[in-house]
Amino acid sequence: AQSVTQLDSQVPVFEEAPVELRCNYSSSVSVYLFWYVQYPNQGLQLLLKYLSGSTLVKGINGFEAEFNKSQTSFHLRKPSVHISDTAEYFCAVSVSQGGKLIFGQGTELSVKP
Amino acid sequence: DAMVIQNPRYQVTQFGKPVTLSCSQTLNHNVMYWYQQKSSQAPKLLFHYYDKDFNNEADTPDNFQSRRPNTSFCFLDIRSPGLGDAAMYLCATSRDFWRGSNQPQHFGDGTRLSIL
Repeated sequence: AQSVTQLDSQVPVFEEAPVELRCNYSSSVSVYLFWYVQYPNQGLQLLLKYLSGSTLVKGINGFEAEFNKSQTSFHLRKPSVHISDTAEYFCAVSVSQGGKLIFGQGTELSVKP
Repeated sequence: DAMVIQNPRYQVTQFGKPVTLSCSQTLNHNVMYWYQQKSSQAPKLLFHYYDKDFNNEADTPDNFQSRRPNTSFCFLDIRSPGLGDAAMYLCATSRDFWRGSNQPQHFGDGTRLSIL
C-alpha cells in the first residue's frame, strides 16, 4: 500500500521569503509524484509532476520540487513567495499499475505582507 | 478552453432528500472520478468510471451512486443525505490510465453541499 505524509499542516511565511513544503511517501513499487494547489472554494490545480528523468522538476507559478528516492521525499520549494500563493497544497502519488491518486493531508501556506 | 465543469457550485438540500451533482468535461478523457473533500482534509476517492466501467472504492457508502450516460457527463447521486455528507465534491478526469498512470488528473471547481 502507498501512503503520503505532509509533515507540516500549516506554514506561515512572509512575502518574498523562500518556502519549502515537505512531503514524504511510502511505496513498495515505483510511483509517480504530484503537487496540487487548491485556492479557497476551488478545485485542485496541478503545480508539477515527477514521472521519471531529472529529479528536479519545475512547475507553474515559480514552484519546483526535488524527487529524492533514497529519502522517499518530494519537497516543494519556491525562492520568493507572493500573497497570491496563499492556498492549500497537496502532495499525491500514483503507482505504475493504476491511476488512483493517494493524497497527503495537505499543507496550508499562509503568506503574510 | 477544455474544462471540467461542475454544477451547481453550491447545493443545499434537506436531510434525507435525494440530491444529484453533475460534472461535464470537454477534454474527451475516458476516466472520470468523484472525490469527497471535507473541511481541512484531503480529497477522498469515492469511485471512478473507466469509460462505462464503474469502479467503487471499498469504503464508499451505498448511499452514494453514480451515473455516466456518455463520455462527457457524470453524475453523483446521494440517495439519502445525512449531516455527515456535507462536503465539497470534486470531479476529475484523466486519459486512459491503464497505459501508464502518469496522466495528471484535471479537476473541476467542485460543488459545496450543505445539508439542512
